[in-house]
Amino acid sequence: GESVGLHLPTLSVQEGDNSIINCAYSNSASDYFIWYKQESGKGPQFIIDIRSNMDKRQGQRVTVLLNKTVKHLSLQIAATQPGDSAVYFCAETFGSGNTGKLIFGQGTTLQVKP
Amino acid sequence: DAMVIQNPRYQVTQFGKPVTLSCSQTLNHNVMYWYQQKSSQAPKLLFHYYDKDFNNEADTPDNFQSRRPNTSFCFLDIRSPGLGDAAMYLCATSRNTGGRQYFGPGTRLTVT
Repeated sequence: GESVGLHLPTLSVQEGDNSIINCAYSNSASDYFIWYKQESGKGPQFIIDIRSNMDKRQGQRVTVLLNKTVKHLSLQIAATQPGDSAVYFCAETFGSGNTGKLIFGQGTTLQVKP
Repeated sequence: DAMVIQNPRYQVTQFGKPVTLSCSQTLNHNVMYWYQQKSSQAPKLLFHYYDKDFNNEADTPDNFQSRRPNTSFCFLDIRSPGLGDAAMYLCATSRNTGGRQYFGPGTRLTVT
C-alpha cells in the first residue's frame, strides 16, 4: 500500500552544520513530492517541491534530492540555523483527478544546537 | 496578506457539544482540505472539496461533516465531540488536486 516514511524521528545538529533529512516512499507512481516545515503550534509551511522528472532541485539553503530507483527523497539544509528547528514532513501525491491527495510521512524533528 | 485563514485559533468545547471550525482563503483555489493532526503525528486527511464536489476519506468518522458554501469558505462541523477529537485542525487549499497545498495556521480544539 502507499506509505511515506522518514528514517529518523529526531535529528540533532550543530548550528552551522549541514542537515540531511531522509524519506522513503512506497508508491512508484507518485509524481510530485513536497517538503513541509512545521513549527510548534503552527501550520505546515512549504519548503520545496520536486516532480518525478527531476532528481535534484535547489532553493535558498535547501536542496531536495529524488532517487526514484530506490524510492528515496532527501532534504538537505545548508548552514543550519536555530530557526530551522522544527518538524519536517515529506509528502507525496497519490491518486488523480478530483481524488488526488497528499500522503504525509511521519515527520522528523530537527533540533539545532547552538 | 494572509492566504488561508482559520478561525478561531483556539476553541474549547464540551464533550458532546457541537462545534464548527471555519476556514477562508484568498487564493481562489479550487480545492479545500481539512486535516486532523494529533500531537507528534502527521496531518491526517479527513476530507476535501474540489469546487463543490465533496470527497470523504474512508476512515473519517461520521461525526465529522463539512460544508463549502462558496469558493472562499469551508467549515468543519463536529457533531458530538469526544475527548479523542481534541487535536489541531488544519485547513489547506490547492489550485488542483495533487499539487502544492497551502496551509492555514490551524485551530487547536480542546474538549472538556
